[in-house]
Amino acid sequence: DSGVTQTPKHLITATGQRVTLRCSPRSGDLSVYWYQQSLDQGLQFLIQYYNGEERAKGNILERFSAQQFPDLHSELNLSSLELGDSALYFCATARAAQGVTEAFFGQGTRLTVV
Amino acid sequence: QKEVEQDPGPLSVPEGAIVSLNCTYSNSAFQYFMWYRQYSRKGPELLMYTYSSGNKEDGRFTAQVDKSSKYISLFIRDSQPSDSATYLCAMSFGYGANSKLTFGKGITLSVRP
Repeated sequence: DSGVTQTPKHLITATGQRVTLRCSPRSGDLSVYWYQQSLDQGLQFLIQYYNGEERAKGNILERFSAQQFPDLHSELNLSSLELGDSALYFCATARAAQGVTEAFFGQGTRLTVV
Repeated sequence: QKEVEQDPGPLSVPEGAIVSLNCTYSNSAFQYFMWYRQYSRKGPELLMYTYSSGNKEDGRFTAQVDKSSKYISLFIRDSQPSDSATYLCAMSFGYGANSKLTFGKGITLSVRP
């Protein structure tokens, strides 16, 4: 168990809908990363927050947004969902560790858009 | 060109074989090189990391970085069925909690008993 909690584990929703994925970090981790994993694209970086502020952005669609709250938990909002958004969504949290970003991943949220 | 390219899979080997997993990258600014292992239905977990060039050994696992060739490898000796998983290489520019990781696509390894 990595100590990173993601909810829900599974989500099935219809096209056009909006969903919110939640991530609770390990105690003391200030950084949250969101990744999308699909079979053909692998693990794609979406966005990173550090201590409440957006720090880096990847190939995140405009329909997607995220935020990190004062208690350091984070939410990823996906709107106007399309079939192609079906994927595993991971959050990872990190703290400095001997100069290496050791990211601890949650178990993921499997999103199915029908 | 993708920043990080990983050999496509899947890969199937008999128990006891030596496994070589490889990644190449295009950005010479990467300084930290990591290997993550992902079991089915789980999130990736850090297996090993290396800073800059060189080798690092941990039990049956050896990570190797050649910055001049922009090439990294993970070797698994005496592979076991429990090593069956997806292996992802990852790289970062800096260090600390505010440095993003860029991953390869991953390769699925199956070790046959």
